[in-house]
Amino acid sequence: AQTVTQSQPEMSVQEAETVTLSCTYDTSESDYYLFWYKQPPSRQMILVIRQEAYKQQNATENRFSVNFQKAAKSFSLKISDSQLGDAAMYFCAYRSDPTWGGGADGLTFGKGTHLIIQP
Amino acid sequence: EAQVTQNPRYLITVTGKKLTVTCSQNMNHEYMSWYRQDPGLGLRQIYYSMNVEVTDKGDVPEGYKVSRKEKRNFPLILESPSPNQTSLYFCASSPLRDSPSYEQYFGPGTRLTVT
Repeated sequence: AQTVTQSQPEMSVQEAETVTLSCTYDTSESDYYLFWYKQPPSRQMILVIRQEAYKQQNATENRFSVNFQKAAKSFSLKISDSQLGDAAMYFCAYRSDPTWGGGADGLTFGKGTHLIIQP
Repeated sequence: EAQVTQNPRYLITVTGKKLTVTCSQNMNHEYMSWYRQDPGLGLRQIYYSMNVEVTDKGDVPEGYKVSRKEKRNFPLILESPSPNQTSLYFCASSPLRDSPSYEQYFGPGTRLTVT
């Protein structure tokens, strides 16, 4: 079974600065997908960014980017120019490729990192 | 608008009183799933379904039942709720084919308290 580890229970950053959230995972699979979800105080789960394991290029979505190191099984999230609205819980998640594994697997989540933005 | 809906959003009940949390999606997704979220534990999968009449256990299925009679609906049933089932519950759906990333779309969550 896959495991996802987020080693930082809480992070704090000054507004407008850059912060990196860490995520490592353990798998024996070669094809999979990785995600970062944001959970603001409203509790809604919002997809921030996704990465396909077969792609070498790191995904980017506006101020959010990832550093995907497949060999090291590392998937960190970088938030540039932090804004007050970025304050939330951030969850790293793994999903097996449904086309190979039959589609049974859901998401395996890390325990989350609470991001605080200091004004 | 593509979405996953859950009802109710908040529920307070007593031990042993059967309840159902409904989930519906309008994206024609094959895959649907239920998760529970507890402090310090992240989200854990309860049950999932890969298609109509096809359901299976996730990581924490004890005390829960599900059914998938229609593609769009995936209700979560607690036949005899207990206080340890107090949690935040999420329904999610995703495609299983022809998708760029097979991301899961989440409902807004149901906060359940069992006293």
